[in-house]
Amino acid sequence: GAVVSQHPSWVICKSGTSVKIECRSLDFQATTMFWYRQFPKQSLMLMATSNEGSKATYEQGVEKDKFLINHASLTLSTLTVTSAHPEDSSFYICSAVVRTGGTGELFFGEGSRLTVL
Amino acid sequence: DAKTTQPPSMDCAEGRAANLPCNHSTISGNEYVYWYRQIHSQGPQYIIHGLKNNETNEMASLIITEDRKSSTLILPHATLRDTAVYYCIVSPPDGGTSYGKLTFGQGTILTVHP
Repeated sequence: GAVVSQHPSWVICKSGTSVKIECRSLDFQATTMFWYRQFPKQSLMLMATSNEGSKATYEQGVEKDKFLINHASLTLSTLTVTSAHPEDSSFYICSAVVRTGGTGELFFGEGSRLTVL
Repeated sequence: DAKTTQPPSMDCAEGRAANLPCNHSTISGNEYVYWYRQIHSQGPQYIIHGLKNNETNEMASLIITEDRKSSTLILPHATLRDTAVYYCIVSPPDGGTSYGKLTFGQGTILTVHP
């Protein structure tokens, strides 16, 4: 099946610093990728839709200036958490759609666990 | 708005079939039923999807009621590695970017025990 890879798988940073998380589609092109966030013992929440060559669209309540998304190529989307604070500590997961016929499968990355001290 | 309802947790003995129910009484005519699972500290994994006919693949079977208001995911021979959170999601088949904007509920925590 299609593979979506994230890097890093975990990162620890100091409060106030910025962290970049990469999401790559390894064997297919993804014009659209999605970023989710998952807090401990909670479900996944969609943060934003990353569109290749254009601006990302953010879900309500997600600060676009804090969570910068860049989708510069058909195989790479990046999420940068700017001026990270402890409350940004979470599991960040990206995904991409592979369309087959009239339906699609959504493939997820392995996730990136961010801990802000 | 929660579009699906699932029991919060279920147990299953290893080697037995695990039957996970899902209610989606407000499903629209063009919406598919998708199942994903998430093993601890990993990204979700696609399992199966269907519209109205029962579906089977190498991982599981999906049984959808005739009125499409509920479905059951069946893992025929559960193993310890099937312990995970199972999410039932309804979504349009291919609405461009809208497909990927999945709304995850709380899912069912399936625990497979020896």
